[in-house]
Amino acid sequence: DAKTTQPNSMESNEEEPVHLPCNHSTISGTDYIHWYRQLPSQGPEYVIHGLTSNVNNRMASLAIAEDRKSSTLILHRATLRDAAVYYCILRGSNTNAGKSTFGDGTTLTVKP
Amino acid sequence: EAQVTQNPRYLITVTGKKLTVTCSQNMNHEYMSWYRQDPGLGLRQIYYSMNVEVTDKGDVPEGYKVSRKEKRNFPLILESPSPNQTSLYFCASSPGYGRNTIYFGEGSWLTVV
Repeated sequence: DAKTTQPNSMESNEEEPVHLPCNHSTISGTDYIHWYRQLPSQGPEYVIHGLTSNVNNRMASLAIAEDRKSSTLILHRATLRDAAVYYCILRGSNTNAGKSTFGDGTTLTVKP
Repeated sequence: EAQVTQNPRYLITVTGKKLTVTCSQNMNHEYMSWYRQDPGLGLRQIYYSMNVEVTDKGDVPEGYKVSRKEKRNFPLILESPSPNQTSLYFCASSPGYGRNTIYFGEGSWLTVV
C-alpha cells in the first residue's frame, strides 16, 4: 500500500502558523489525503482531507503539491489545544480501499 | 449523538483466557476497522470490514479474529491472549472509503498478564 512519511516532532509558538509536512511519493491517482490528530488518551479525530486541490476548513488548511507526492497541513494560528500527534494517511477508492495505514505521525508541541 | 462505542474501556486479563472487545456504531456506516496502538507508536490496522459478512486482514492480524454479522457491530476476538497483545485498541467506522471520514471510538486499554 501507499505509505506516508512525516517528521517525528515539530515545535511551534502559540499564535504562530504551523506547517506540518507529509510525503506520499507512492500515492495512486484515486487516493485521498487525510489528516487526523490524536490528543492524549483519546482516539484520533478528523482534521481535513483532499484529493488534488488545496482545501480549507474551520480547523486547518491542506496544501497539496501539484504532483500529489507531498502535502502540508497548515494550522494558521497554533493554540495550546493544538498540541497533539498529527497523522497523514491515504485512503484509497478502489482495490486498496480497505487498508488505512497510519505511520507514527508528527508530535506537535506548542509553546506558550 | 453519532458515536463509536467500545467495551470494555479497561481490562486486565490472564494469558490464554478468551476475550471479546465489542464495537458498535450508530451511524449506519458500511466500513469498520480495528487498530492497535503501542506506546509511542502510531496505529496499526488489525482487521477491517467493508460491509456485513465481508472482512479482511490489516497489517497485524495474527492472534485476532473478527466478525461482521450486523452492520452496526464489529467485535474483536482474542482467542488466546498473550502478553504481546497488551495494547490500546481503537475501533473505527466510516461511511465508505476514499473521501469519507473515519470516526474513532475512545479506545480500550487491554493488559494481558
